[in-house]
Amino acid sequence: SQQGEEDPQALSIQEGENATMNCSYKTSINNLQWYRQNSGRGLVHLILIRSNEREKHSGRLRVTLDTSKKSSSLLITASRAADTASYFCATDSIQGAQKLVFGQGTRLTINP
Amino acid sequence: DAGITQSPRHKVTETGTPVTLRCHQTENHRYMYWYRQDPGHGLRLIHYSYGVKDTDKGEVSDGYSVSRSKTEDFLLTLESATSSQTSVYFCAISLAGTGEETQYFGPGTRLLVL
Repeated sequence: SQQGEEDPQALSIQEGENATMNCSYKTSINNLQWYRQNSGRGLVHLILIRSNEREKHSGRLRVTLDTSKKSSSLLITASRAADTASYFCATDSIQGAQKLVFGQGTRLTINP
Repeated sequence: DAGITQSPRHKVTETGTPVTLRCHQTENHRYMYWYRQDPGHGLRLIHYSYGVKDTDKGEVSDGYSVSRSKTEDFLLTLESATSSQTSVYFCAISLAGTGEETQYFGPGTRLLVL
């Protein structure tokens, strides 16, 4: 069964605007990761946040984690056309094996 | 793609035929994974390996088997392909268990079962 549910499924914004994507999950986690997938390509790791962290930044990315609500959000600031891609959250519930469970993804389109 | 190659990149086969997909890494990572990606389901874990000859099942392992005889190669076999196994298959590697928890993905194999 799918651990993560992502919202929205699709998002279209203008270049320069901020994009926010949300992820909810069902069970306790060790960490939560966000990945990006360009069309026809493999996934690329963006950022990891551990269960004892509440917020993390990496360049134009900001990730928050609320373990009480079992939810996370990914904010991309000052979006660019190159940010057009699908974004996936993935949860890791067991320390060691890293058996990631992925959400269904958010398709982000940045309009020039 | 972090030293990961998948072969073939595209394959068309018929129902009932065996199919083997290969994942090759040059990073000497201990953990390797096979996922499938389908519309509306994201990525789902099929099998993974935590060392040579050490493998375990994932969420959607029925109809698939794997083998890992060398650190660098992880094979996924569909013993008798079915149309429901039409999908895009991704291999991934990681240094799980060492504190480095990022997974690195290959370019994918598109499989069509007619």
